[in-house]
Amino acid sequence: AQSVTQPDIHITVSEGASLELRCNYSYGATPYLFWYVQSPGQGLQLLLKYFSGDTLVQGIKGFEAEFKRSQSSFNLRKPSVHWSDAAEYFCAVDLYGGATNKLIFGTGTLLAVQP
Amino acid sequence: DTAVSQTPKYLVTQMGNDKSIKCEQNLGHDTMYWYKQDSKKFLKIMFSYNNKELIINETVPNRFSPKSPDKAHLNLHINSLELGDSAVYFCASRNDRGYNSPLHFGNGTRLTVT
Repeated sequence: AQSVTQPDIHITVSEGASLELRCNYSYGATPYLFWYVQSPGQGLQLLLKYFSGDTLVQGIKGFEAEFKRSQSSFNLRKPSVHWSDAAEYFCAVDLYGGATNKLIFGTGTLLAVQP
Repeated sequence: DTAVSQTPKYLVTQMGNDKSIKCEQNLGHDTMYWYKQDSKKFLKIMFSYNNKELIINETVPNRFSPKSPDKAHLNLHINSLELGDSAVYFCASRNDRGYNSPLHFGNGTRLTVT
């Protein structure tokens, strides 16, 4: 079955340090991949998405992600983390297409930022 | 200028009651969704409507009944509430005229059943 795995439940980084959040997917076809961020008490906000083309995609807030088909991965990165980046991060894969598609989410990674 | 709005933000009720959560989007999107986020933050799709037509109905108890009076609204009615229904419910929408466009989420409704 199609699935999305985020191996890290909780990550703590120091402010100014680099960040990489891992995401692996299991899907037969070329996936459509997303990263969302959820701040406490808020809904989910789209950070970036990959549909096709350049495998390195840029998002908002200085985030980027790289699609690696050989590793079935779509890891999220940021070169220098800010305290405001502390939140829950969700990787998601879009199944099917058009009106019948549905977004399947990973279990999330909670990012804590130390001063 | 809220894109996807849900009401209420918090809902506390007793077991056995019936309650509704409302959702409206002003983005002109064709498709709307309900997601449930459990205590471990896991997000699971419940329903999807496209132009008022039910498209996706995951394995959800019959006590949950979505209603879409028009394509800008998707309400969720829950009958005979149970303790296990406690969760955060998110409404979302997307524009299917754009190929695989991203979801836009509301801020969630935290439902607590006592």
